[in-house]
Amino acid sequence: DAGVIQSPRHEVTEMGQEVTLRCKPISGHNSLFWYRQTMMRGLELLIYFNNNVPIDDSGMPEDRFSAKMPNASFSTLKIQPSEPRDSAVYFCASSSLGEGYEQYFGPGTRLTVT
Amino acid sequence: GESVGLHLPTLSVQEGDNSIINCAYSNSASDYFIWYKQESGKGPQFIIDIRSNMDKRQGQRVTVLLNKTVKHLSLQIAATQPGDSAVYFCAEIPNYGGSQGNLIFGKGTKLSVKP
Repeated sequence: DAGVIQSPRHEVTEMGQEVTLRCKPISGHNSLFWYRQTMMRGLELLIYFNNNVPIDDSGMPEDRFSAKMPNASFSTLKIQPSEPRDSAVYFCASSSLGEGYEQYFGPGTRLTVT
Repeated sequence: GESVGLHLPTLSVQEGDNSIINCAYSNSASDYFIWYKQESGKGPQFIIDIRSNMDKRQGQRVTVLLNKTVKHLSLQIAATQPGDSAVYFCAEIPNYGGSQGNLIFGKGTKLSVKP
C-alpha cells in the first residue's frame, strides 16, 4: 500500500499564478480531506468528500480556492489567483467510511507564494 | 508588523521517562477522539483512538485516558524514546455515527526527548 500520494511535494510560485495540488487517496477509501497547516493557525480542515461528493466546504477560505474529486482515486485543490498568505503546507487525507474514523495523511505539499 | 506564530506548548522529557500530553476538548457532544503524531516534514500519523463509552485504552507503549466530566484527554507514552520527539495532536469528532469526517484538531503539543 503506497499510502496517500500528494504532488508536488514543494511548489514555489509567484503571486497571481494558478496553483493546483493533487492527491491520490488510498485505494478503497471513500472519504477524502484537504487540510492546510500554518504556524499561525495550526491544522485546518478546508473541505472533505464522501464518495466523491463534497460534504463540507465551510473551511475553504475564499472563492479563490476550489476542490474537485472527479473519481474515487483523484482529487485536486486549486488556488487561483494565489497570494502570499496562501503559503502553507497542504495535506490530503483519506479514510474508509464504516471502518472507523482514522484518517491517513499524505506527506503534504509545501506551497510558497512570493 | 510583527507576525505572531502559533505558540505550541512544549514538553521536554528525558529518554526513558514517561510522558503525559494533555488536551482539553471543547464540544461536550464529541464522542470519538484520536491522537496523532506529526514528525518534522511529515503528515500526521494515527497513534490511538478512544470512544466516549470508554475512559481508558492502551496500545503499545501508549495509553489514552478520557475524562468526559472535565472534557479532558491525555496521552501517556511509556519509556519515551528519541523517536517519540514530534508534535502530538488530539482530535475530536462530534456526533459519532453521523457523517464521516470533520475531525477537529487541537493546537498540538511539541514533545522533545533528551538523550
